[in-house]
Amino acid sequence: EVQLVESGGGLVQPGGSLRLSCAASGFTFSSYNMNWVRQAPGKGLEWVSYISSSSGTIYYANSVKGRFTISRDSAKNSLYLQMNRLRDEDTAVYYCARVLGEVAVGWGQGTLVTVSS
Amino acid sequence: EIVMTQSPATLSVSPGERATLSCRASQSVSSNLAWYQQKPGQAPRLLIYGASTRATGIPARFSGSGSGTEFTLTISSLQSEDFAVYYCQQYNKWPPITFGQGTRLEIK
Repeated sequence: EVQLVESGGGLVQPGGSLRLSCAASGFTFSSYNMNWVRQAPGKGLEWVSYISSSSGTIYYANSVKGRFTISRDSAKNSLYLQMNRLRDEDTAVYYCARVLGEVAVGWGQGTLVTVSS
Repeated sequence: EIVMTQSPATLSVSPGERATLSCRASQSVSSNLAWYQQKPGQAPRLLIYGASTRATGIPARFSGSGSGTEFTLTISSLQSEDFAVYYCQQYNKWPPITFGQGTRLEIK
């Protein structure tokens, strides 16, 4: 069974940092591109970042560029999102998603990040 | 950036009836469009990709159509489990990948 399990969310003060993880199982993680997508409370979906299977191609949304860093470790079947200089507007549920042809074919259950003083 | 606009924001339909949801792109996305369903407290689920191809395990009552800038998701006979929020997403010209704001499908 394909599974994606996010962790690392929590409450952090503005300006703080947090590292999200996404543990993948049930598929060949090293063969898939991956996305992070977030959803602010009561709002729609917002794409955050993309990493190719080889880590050779990485993209960020303008709203997080320069503050967030996506990475992956195929030996650990894990995807990461390092989030620095967090802002109130970064408060959201963060989903990792397995990508096939730029389409998110599978999603984790999400982890909630709350940025508040 | 390609802007995706969904309409209506909320659609009220009775079980057993047909629902038609629309998605418009600010410029052509060819057929590079996906639809997702999201139920409360759950992650999104892929329904349709390539504008009209159902994802694995998606019932035949879900169908997608359109190309260029105008797209439609049709649910032919609504079941109770279909009441949810639906998002369209373009992947023709990216980054960024962009989503519509969603259509909430509610029971009439």
